[in-house]
Amino acid sequence: ILNVEQSPQSLHVQEGDSTNFTCSFPSSNFYALHWYRWETAKSPEALFVMTLNGDEKKKGRISATLNTKEGYSYLYIKGSQPEDSATYLCAFRGGSSNTGKLIFGQGTTLQVKP
Amino acid sequence: KAGVTQTPRYLIKTRGQQVTLSCSPISGHRSVSWYQQTPGQGLQFLFEYFSETQRNKGNFPGRFSGRQFSNSRSEMNVSTLELGDSALYLCASSWGGLAGGPRTDTQYFGPGTRLTVL
Repeated sequence: ILNVEQSPQSLHVQEGDSTNFTCSFPSSNFYALHWYRWETAKSPEALFVMTLNGDEKKKGRISATLNTKEGYSYLYIKGSQPEDSATYLCAFRGGSSNTGKLIFGQGTTLQVKP
Repeated sequence: KAGVTQTPRYLIKTRGQQVTLSCSPISGHRSVSWYQQTPGQGLQFLFEYFSETQRNKGNFPGRFSGRQFSNSRSEMNVSTLELGDSALYLCASSWGGLAGGPRTDTQYFGPGTRLTVL
């Protein structure tokens, strides 16, 4: 059974704080690692798709790194804003391009206080 | 470019009934995946359809089924509903290309259908 773990489960920070979350995934049969942001009452929004060991992706104040050899990815938010409040999900995709199956972690819920 | 749409957005059914949910993918996308989201289990993969064929299936009972049409629109059906089927059902579309396709193929999610079984 493939397991994707995220920590912490929830996080409360003050506006302006920087924060980071962890996603652990199987290090074998790796194909891609996806990050999503999911705000209440909205669709999950794709942030990054990471495929290469050592990958670093950045989108505004959000960045992510990938280590496929040890099976983890970090998501960083610099200078958190209230609008960053959401659940952040990572999803592991194994195998090949012939399967679109994503295995999701339970998510990290971020609450940013003004 | 229009996003992924799902209908209906909300459904209330009683135990034993059956239900059909619909998903229209982004134009040009050929892969549609379905996920179930419950508070305790998070997002769980149901199945994936690509070019009208089921390509992958998750660990759900046979009461859960789906299909995909030639225009890539997909439906999922749940028969003999149980209380535990109450959940948010999300579909996601992607290009879903065959071997050699981009590993960065992104799955775009719809807003979901909230199913309540009484």
